[in-house]
Amino acid sequence: GAGVSQSPSNKVTEKGKDVELRCDPISGHTALYWYRQSLGQGLEFLIYFQGNSAPDKSGLPSDRFSAERTGGSVSTLTIQRTQQEDSAVYLCASSFLGRGLSTDTQYFGPGTRLTVL
Amino acid sequence: DQQVKQNSPSLSVQEGRISILNCDYTNSMFDYFLWYKKYPAEGPTFLISISSIKDKNEDGRFTVFLNKSAKHLSLHIVPSQPGDSAVYFCAASAIDDKIIFGKGTRLHILP
Repeated sequence: GAGVSQSPSNKVTEKGKDVELRCDPISGHTALYWYRQSLGQGLEFLIYFQGNSAPDKSGLPSDRFSAERTGGSVSTLTIQRTQQEDSAVYLCASSFLGRGLSTDTQYFGPGTRLTVL
Repeated sequence: DQQVKQNSPSLSVQEGRISILNCDYTNSMFDYFLWYKKYPAEGPTFLISISSIKDKNEDGRFTVFLNKSAKHLSLHIVPSQPGDSAVYFCAASAIDDKIIFGKGTRLHILP
């Protein structure tokens, strides 16, 4: 597939458990973004990876959230000790060049719907 | 503090008529504005954008208007079609900074 893929599409977990969400960006895209959309809210920026640069983690809501991008491609968003307020759709996007060029279009995956019981 | 505001959570428009979706922003440093469209169970897809040096950008049935003095932009869809029913997100960014999204407006195109 040529698009951004995410897995799993749905995840139900119990409060206190850890979860890992995966994102496969478009091949050749140097930039990768994670967002989340809570019910009735817009897309909230979480973290941004650009090539080999240090990631911009300014959107991560707490230290329970972390993300890695291995080999400049696949990314994993990890949420430790999940809380009910973490329930949301987590969206990943990739772009060719990244934020240095405003016109660089972000392509989104279908998202992972996380439900914390 | 919401920097990008879409004050209408939903909008219903008759098929064939014009749909106008509005967006206001507060950050005067924003220089690039975008609209994304989202269908259920799919990620948002880029629709149209406009740079702050312009006041209008047109792409087929879609036109975005920017009023910098009012810090307001709007998306016009004409004529509206059933496939336009979706959630539309307004977004904005400053140079080399993250994109800030609004909460979205759900557009219903009525037959």
